[in-house]
Amino acid sequence: AQSVTQPDIHITVSEGASLELRCNYSYGATPYLFWYVQSPGQGLQLLLKYFSGDTLVQGIKGFEAEFKRSQSSFNLRKPSVHWSDAAEYFCAVGGVPGGGADGLTFGKGTHLIIQP
Amino acid sequence: NAGVTQTPKFQVLKTGQSMTLQCAQDMNHEYMSWYRQDPGMGLRLIHYSVGAGITDQGEVPNGYNVSRSTTEDFPLRLLSAAPSQTSVYFCASSYSRGGNAFFGQGTRLTVV
Repeated sequence: AQSVTQPDIHITVSEGASLELRCNYSYGATPYLFWYVQSPGQGLQLLLKYFSGDTLVQGIKGFEAEFKRSQSSFNLRKPSVHWSDAAEYFCAVGGVPGGGADGLTFGKGTHLIIQP
Repeated sequence: NAGVTQTPKFQVLKTGQSMTLQCAQDMNHEYMSWYRQDPGMGLRLIHYSVGAGITDQGEVPNGYNVSRSTTEDFPLRLLSAAPSQTSVYFCASSYSRGGNAFFGQGTRLTVV
């Protein structure tokens, strides 16, 4: 079965600094890859997704992610964070047998704290 | 557009009670799914559906039932609530397998 690892439970970044959130997946083929953001008390919002093609994916709110097949990674980046980026971030895998948007496998999340 | 609507937003149940969490989407999506979110665990798939009349189990299906009689609705039933089912429940839908999943706002359930 596929799995998703987000090694960082919490990350603290100063406002205006750059950000990188790590995500590694385990699956034999290349699955669909997603990053979602969850603000407190809210549902999940899609930031970006990778299906195929260009390995650098642009998303909403100035986020981007790079797919690296050799490292089974899909790290999320932002050049300059804003206080409003404080939230929980989830990496997810889909599009595999028993998976897909009919069944995503999520990492445990990274809680992003922004320091003034 | 309403998107994905979940009701209720909050619910307290006593152990052994049953209830149904409602989920409706107005985007004509074929794919719908239910997740539970627990602290430090991320979201885990309970059940999913690839179309009306078709459902299947996810990672943590025990204690839950689903049915899909229409494209729009995908209710989740707790048969006999247990404290271990205290969680936040999210419903999601998407147009295609692997497509962008739209999530509801969640139902916070407490079982005492």
